[in-house]
Amino acid sequence: GQQVMQIPQYQHVQEGEDFTTYCNSSTTLSNIQWYKQRPGGHPVFLIQLVKSGEVKKQKRLTFQFGEAKKNSSLHITATQTTDVGTYFCAINLRGNQFYFGTGTSLTVIP
Amino acid sequence: DGGITQSPKYLFRKEGQNVTLSCEQNLNHDAMYWYRQDPGQGLRLIYYSQIVNDFQKGDIAEGYSVSREKKESFPLTVTSAQKNPTAFYLCASSSKREVTYEQYFGPGTRLTVT
Repeated sequence: GQQVMQIPQYQHVQEGEDFTTYCNSSTTLSNIQWYKQRPGGHPVFLIQLVKSGEVKKQKRLTFQFGEAKKNSSLHITATQTTDVGTYFCAINLRGNQFYFGTGTSLTVIP
Repeated sequence: DGGITQSPKYLFRKEGQNVTLSCEQNLNHDAMYWYRQDPGQGLRLIYYSQIVNDFQKGDIAEGYSVSREKKESFPLTVTSAQKNPTAFYLCASSSKREVTYEQYFGPGTRLTVT
């Protein structure tokens, strides 16, 4: 079935450093969503991207959708300890069925 | 407050017993989902339901069963046939916004089977 690869699996950064996670698909996507899961918590929706080449920003977070709509990235500028968690991408399959990436676990060292 | 509730938060069972996890939503969402999360892995879809009295298998449905008799409720039964049931179970619901479906997750149930 269709899959989305997410890298890296883990990332440790010093507070203030930048962070990026990537999702890659072998097929063209109709859209992609990003979620954040804090340690011990549940995933929370961050954003959805639909258009080719789309870039959206939420404060220090920048989300991009590739021109070919096969990849996406989430970039965090100047990480803070509140950014700790696992970031997942999710792609929309048939109807409203979703497939989640394996996630990138972010640790921020104060 | 609108949202999704899952109960209990922690559940312990002996091997060979069936156990039912509760999921209720008051968001008036049509679609509901059950995911399983294991350490270091993403969310894997067990079952989903788009409307009442209808549901479809996800990637890992073996050993699980569901029902959708009411729009608000989507209980998941982990049967004794599930070979490795210890995991974190997440329920979600969604409703169409703009182009696609944003998912709202419940707090999860952590099931331990010994």
